[in-house]
Amino acid sequence: DVKVTQSSRYLVKRTGEKVFLECVQDMDHENMFWYRQDPGLGLRLIYFSYDVKMKEKGDIPEGYSVSREKKERFSLILESASTNQTSMYLCASSLRDRREKLFFGSGTQLSVL
Amino acid sequence: AQSVTQPDIHITVSEGASLELRCNYSYGATPYLFWYVQSPGQGLQLLLKYFSGDTLVQGIKGFEAEFKRSQSSFNLRKPSVHWSDAAEYFCAVGGYSGTGNQFYFGTGTSLTVIP
Repeated sequence: DVKVTQSSRYLVKRTGEKVFLECVQDMDHENMFWYRQDPGLGLRLIYFSYDVKMKEKGDIPEGYSVSREKKERFSLILESASTNQTSMYLCASSLRDRREKLFFGSGTQLSVL
Repeated sequence: AQSVTQPDIHITVSEGASLELRCNYSYGATPYLFWYVQSPGQGLQLLLKYFSGDTLVQGIKGFEAEFKRSQSSFNLRKPSVHWSDAAEYFCAVGGYSGTGNQFYFGTGTSLTVIP
């Protein structure tokens, strides 16, 4: 069965900490995405990557960075976590064709105290 | 600019009743449209998608959606709702940003099913 795996289901961090959220897919997908999900706001795109070492800003990239050194892995980095980054983070992947669906991980609920 | 609007934040239906969730999109080219469902504590799962051809598409779990270009809509329907359908539903449009694919999501509709 195809999978998108996010390393942590729940994460609690302190303000100012550097936070790494890891995502791995086993489907050889070219595209990978990081979304943030907040009540009433739906899914908002933070960053996406369409190839190894390539990245593009989404709608809300401020305070975040990403890394894609290998095709199967896409990491989201919070350089200095803040309380307004408390949220559910969803990773997804897809084939290159925009007709192809997204495969989602189960999400990481991050709390920044 | 591409956008997706789901006007209903929350809907409550009785088990066995019919359901329609609304979705309107704004996209300059041929839209590729999707409906996803998110059960509590889970990631999103694809229900159905539309690319071309027959404007009524069938999906999993008995859901269907109808594409209406004139109304820029892609509403999701189910004839008889089951308690297990309680979840959050997201409409999305697949687009191209110039460098890669993007997906634009609505804000979601939360469905409650009462016995």
